[in-house]
Amino acid sequence: GQQLNQSPQSMFIQEGEDVSMNCTSSSIFNTWLWYKQDPGEGPVLLIALYKAGELTSNGRLTAQFGITRKDSFLNISASIPSDVGIYFCAGRMNTNAGKSTFGDGTTLTVKP
Amino acid sequence: EAQVTQNPRYLITVTGKKLTVTCSQNMNHEYMSWYRQDPGLGLRQIYYSMNVEVTDKGDVPEGYKVSRKEKRNFPLILESPSPNQTSLYFCASSPRTSGRAYNEQFFGPGTRLTVL
Repeated sequence: GQQLNQSPQSMFIQEGEDVSMNCTSSSIFNTWLWYKQDPGEGPVLLIALYKAGELTSNGRLTAQFGITRKDSFLNISASIPSDVGIYFCAGRMNTNAGKSTFGDGTTLTVKP
Repeated sequence: EAQVTQNPRYLITVTGKKLTVTCSQNMNHEYMSWYRQDPGLGLRQIYYSMNVEVTDKGDVPEGYKVSRKEKRNFPLILESPSPNQTSLYFCASSPRTSGRAYNEQFFGPGTRLTVL
């Protein structure tokens, strides 16, 4: 199946720093999604992107749908300890409704 | 409270002993899906269901079965579990099967399965 390459695999940052992570695919997606998974819980949707070039914010989080439709980026500004967790990107195709492809995650650790 | 519930949350079993992991949602969602999460591999989709009696394979369906006889329930069945099915399993649901509401997947709390 399709694969999403997510980088970096892990990040160790100081509280207050900004964070950037990205996701790339060999295939085009119509929708890009970013999720966060807190320890011991299921993922929660953070941001959904629907058009190439779209830039969307959710509080301190900003995500972009790459213009090639094969990549997406997530930025977190002024990180805080509760940002700790695993961040997943996911892609969906309109032509294959029902299927979701997830990246392998970026584990974020924030040191106070 | 709107939620997706999974049972059991933890299960240790032996190779070949049939088991079922239940998933139920109380939000009248059309779409439901099962994923497994393994270290370094992220979430991989096992099966999904667009509506009652409509199911389809995801990326890793081998060794699993599902059924959708009622809208609220979507059990995952392992007929003959093997050690390579040791994993963390998540059920998810979303309100619609198209449009933007389709992408709002609500995940259950997970079921940690160990097959010895």
